[in-house]
Amino acid sequence: AQSVSQHNHHVILSEAASLELGCNYSYGGTVNLFWYVQYPGQHLQLLLKYFSGDPLVKGIKGFEAEFIKSKFSFNLRKPSVQWSDTAEYFCAVNFAGKSTFGDGTTLTVKP
Amino acid sequence: GAGVSQSPSNKVTEKGKDVELRCDPISGHTALYWYRQSLGQGLEFLIYFQGNSAPDKSGLPSDRFSAERTGGSVSTLTIQRTQQEDSAVYLCASSTRQGVGDTQYFGPGTRLTVL
Repeated sequence: AQSVSQHNHHVILSEAASLELGCNYSYGGTVNLFWYVQYPGQHLQLLLKYFSGDPLVKGIKGFEAEFIKSKFSFNLRKPSVQWSDTAEYFCAVNFAGKSTFGDGTTLTVKP
Repeated sequence: GAGVSQSPSNKVTEKGKDVELRCDPISGHTALYWYRQSLGQGLEFLIYFQGNSAPDKSGLPSDRFSAERTGGSVSTLTIQRTQQEDSAVYLCASSTRQGVGDTQYFGPGTRLTVL
């Protein structure tokens, strides 16, 4: 069975700091990869996704993620975080329609 | 159009009672998913529907859990003889199709508390 591991449970940063959230998955076949975000009091929503092609994908609000197949990783990055990025971030892997989510990383950005 | 809606938004029930949770997907979305999110944990896949069929029920935690979908639209998740460990937020999501990893659109969830 596929699994998703997010290395950091809680990350605290100051505004303008750079962000990298780790995500590793276990399945070795062809998968689709996602990062979802849940802002306080809001629904889960898609941040970005990777299906094929350029392994560096760009999402909303200046986020990007790089798919490294050899490392089974799909880390999320942002060069300079803002207070409004405070949220919970989930990495997800989809294989044949079934999605497996990581446990999530709570990001707190201090103003 | 409207997003995914779920009802009720909150449900408090006594141990041993049955509960029914409802999900209205985005119109035209053929795939529908149910997840459970327990406090401090990630999303736990429960079941998905393609149309009215549920090809994969492997995520349902026990035979007390069941789900159905009628008319390719509304879905209900039923939990019989609820237990305290069933307390969680139950999320529903829909997507245009299943199997190719289309973006899932999530509803606000139903917070279930079993006393």
